[in-house]
Amino acid sequence: TQLLEQSPQFLSIQEGENLTVYCNSSSVFSSLQWYRQEPGEGPVLLVTVVTGGEVKKLKRLTFQFGDARKDSSLHITAAQPGDTGLYLCAGVSWGKFQFGAGTQVVVTP
Amino acid sequence: NAGVTQTPKFQVLKTGQSMTLQCAQDMNHNSMYWYRQDPGMGLRLIYYSASEGTTDKGEVPNGYNVSRLNKREFSLRLESAAPSQTSVYFCASSPTSGKNIQYFGAGTRLSVL
Repeated sequence: TQLLEQSPQFLSIQEGENLTVYCNSSSVFSSLQWYRQEPGEGPVLLVTVVTGGEVKKLKRLTFQFGDARKDSSLHITAAQPGDTGLYLCAGVSWGKFQFGAGTQVVVTP
Repeated sequence: NAGVTQTPKFQVLKTGQSMTLQCAQDMNHNSMYWYRQDPGMGLRLIYYSASEGTTDKGEVPNGYNVSRLNKREFSLRLESAAPSQTSVYFCASSPTSGKNIQYFGAGTRLSVL
């Protein structure tokens, strides 16, 4: 059972375009994390959001945690080829991490 | 600083064979985890160890056993491999259980024929 649903599953865009990926759940989490995974590597943490409604920015990446702490979004402005990767969200609850299936993002020059 | 080291990186087994996946971290973390990653399924927790001397089942523990050998090492054993266990396996560590980020190894790609 996938408690965290990510959409879309795959996204292909041109360099310079914007994109948004979503992470939705019916469960409430104490915090939510976003990771990026590149081929042949393990996931690497990008950000943790803790408070409902929280917005965090990391250069061209903007992360938002839903007011009810059940959903989150990641927005990338002016995407670059280096943003290519698998983006995973993970909800943290009762000491355990629950991962979504990921959104594969491909940014072409 | 090596972080989380997994061995081997690749492995091919025949059905019924056994093997142990090794994981070691050099960050003095208390918690360690084993996940499997399958297409369209994301990362699923197999077992975790909140601290040295303790282990608990995750979402998909059947067919696996684990050993927290010491604070640094957490191994995953397949006693009788099955084709359904073909996957990419990731080990991760965290300073405390669920409260901090997880640091992942590079993965072990396992094929069971």
